[in-house]
Amino acid sequence: DARVTQTPRHKVTEMGQEVTMRCQPILGHNTVFWYRQTMMQGLELLAYFRNRAPLDDSGMPKDRFSAEMPDATLATLKIQPSEPRDSAVYFCASGLALQGGQETQYFGPGTRLLVL
Amino acid sequence: QKEVEQNSGPLSVPEGAIASLNCTYSDRGSQSFFWYRQYSGKSPELIMFIYSNGDKEDGRFTAQLNKASQYVSLLIRDSQPSDSATYLCAVIRAGANSKLTFGKGITLSVRP
Repeated sequence: DARVTQTPRHKVTEMGQEVTMRCQPILGHNTVFWYRQTMMQGLELLAYFRNRAPLDDSGMPKDRFSAEMPDATLATLKIQPSEPRDSAVYFCASGLALQGGQETQYFGPGTRLLVL
Repeated sequence: QKEVEQNSGPLSVPEGAIASLNCTYSDRGSQSFFWYRQYSGKSPELIMFIYSNGDKEDGRFTAQLNKASQYVSLLIRDSQPSDSATYLCAVIRAGANSKLTFGKGITLSVRP
């Protein structure tokens, strides 16, 4: 049963601390997305990668957020320093982009982040 | 105007009824349209996508797309309590590659 995995599932931290979230996309998928979901803003795209290359990170606050894909099986999202307004659920999704076709995005279970 | 708008929620229908969920979008060049279902505390899961004008049926679900009027809707026939969830409309805008823009969702409650 192929699925996207995310760690940690829950994170409570204090303001100013570094937070690292990890995602393992479905094996064989070549596109990875990072989303943030809050009650106020809904689901927002932060960044995405195709074949490990960043395609769009326009939704991500550049001063404190960074996203990387060190290899095809791991994507990371870091917040440094974290702030209370970063409290949200962070989802990773993966998909397989084929030429001329649309991919379906499969979401991971999310990381629930609370910054005190 | 919001890029993807879902209004008139929350929605409550009795079991067995048809639930109608609506979504409008602002970018006339949008090409692809998706409906995701999200149960409380869970992640979104894709239930339908539609690219062409008209209706697309999958079991109890029907997606309807009207590009001229810039709306997409989801009909759920024979609604069940297990359909109670938040339904998210998502759009890929023209030139946006695979980038989904989501509406804020509408919460559906099916009363037994």
